[in-house]
Amino acid sequence: GAGVSQTPSNKVTEKGKYVELRCDPISGHTALYWYRQSLGQGPEFLIYFQGTGAADDSGLPNDRFFAVRPEGSVSTLKIQRTERGDSAVYLCASSLVSGWDTGELFFGEGSRLTVL
Amino acid sequence: GENVEQHPSTLSVQEGDSAVIKCTYSDSASNYFPWYKQELGKRPQLIIDIRSNVGEKKDQRIAVTLNKTAKHFSLHITETQPEDSAVYFCAGGGATNKLIFGTGTLLAVQP
Repeated sequence: GAGVSQTPSNKVTEKGKYVELRCDPISGHTALYWYRQSLGQGPEFLIYFQGTGAADDSGLPNDRFFAVRPEGSVSTLKIQRTERGDSAVYLCASSLVSGWDTGELFFGEGSRLTVL
Repeated sequence: GENVEQHPSTLSVQEGDSAVIKCTYSDSASNYFPWYKQELGKRPQLIIDIRSNVGEKKDQRIAVTLNKTAKHFSLHITETQPEDSAVYFCAGGGATNKLIFGTGTLLAVQP
């Protein structure tokens, strides 16, 4: 497909469980972002990758959250010991970035996480 | 840390009227200011953006203005139509490619 793809679209889990959310960016986009959006709020920055490396992970709320992008394409957001407060829509976005020039972010449809 | 504030949180206008949404930012190193539109249950999509080397940009019924000294930027929609109804988010960033979003404005255009 031509757009950013996120799986699963919906995930319901129990408190304390481990969750993985996957993002497949637009082909050729070097920058990949993870955001979290709660109802009625703006997207909250979590982490930004440039290629394979995490260029900025200052938005990760605590050490239960981790993200990887081993080959510079697909990324996985991993959440350990989930808490009810982790419930939100997790948005992934990719961008064609040149140097330090921020470009348009193309968002996926999001993964809705519900922690019971 | 970086912060972007957005006002108002909700805005209701009559079809054909203008709508203005305002944002302020805290990081003086920010140089890129996009606006995204998010319809209910959909992904955010870019509608217009502005970089710090210009003060205003227009695209048909949409315009954005930037005041770097005051760290303000605004979205202006003229001749509003019902299909303009959505949540609008401003964002600021560019210094480190990290975009910080505002809290959103729910725009309702009454026919």
